[in-house]
Amino acid sequence: DSGVTQTPKHLITATGQRVTLRCSPRSGDLSVYWYQQSLDQGLQFLIQYYNGEERAKGNILERFSAQQFPDLHSELNLSSLELGDSALYFCASSTSTSQPQHFGDGTRLSIL
Amino acid sequence: AQSVTQLDSQVPVFEEAPVELRCNYSSSVSVYLFWYVQYPNQGLQLLLKYLSGSTLVKGINGFEAEFNKSQTSFHLRKPSVHISDTAEYFCAVRSVDGADGLTFGKGTHLIIQP
Repeated sequence: DSGVTQTPKHLITATGQRVTLRCSPRSGDLSVYWYQQSLDQGLQFLIQYYNGEERAKGNILERFSAQQFPDLHSELNLSSLELGDSALYFCASSTSTSQPQHFGDGTRLSIL
Repeated sequence: AQSVTQLDSQVPVFEEAPVELRCNYSSSVSVYLFWYVQYPNQGLQLLLKYLSGSTLVKGINGFEAEFNKSQTSFHLRKPSVHISDTAEYFCAVRSVDGADGLTFGKGTHLIIQP
């Protein structure tokens, strides 16, 4: 158990819809990262937050957004969903940007 | 920007045999290096990390890796594999200044044959 909690584990929705994925980091971790894992693109970094502030952006689409709340949990919002957004979305956390990241079990998003 | 190349998409090995999973990286800045393992339907688990110091690092489950700066490699090794080592293994890098997330290789599927 990594200590990183992601909900829900599975999400099935339709094209054009909007969903919110939630992540609770390990106790004491200030940094939260979001990644997308798909068969064609592999594992890709989306975005990082540190203590509520956006710290780095990766290959995140404009239809996607994230935030980190004062209690340090984070949400990833995906809107105008397309079939290609079907993937496993991981959250990771670390104590600081120089420390290893610990991953949650992911949310599997299926777009029908 | 960084890139990671895992040279083998699949490595079949007999149980109790040694294994090496290869990883090469490219970066214009100093990086930290990591190996993660992903078991079916699970998240990624950190196997080992190289941040600084000794270039030979030991991780969990009997794995070790050696950082070679001149060859920009970080190969993962285990002297004797077990059936439970069957999984997907990912090599990853991240810049030392921390201004980005992890850049992953495409993964190597380790298949242990009895």
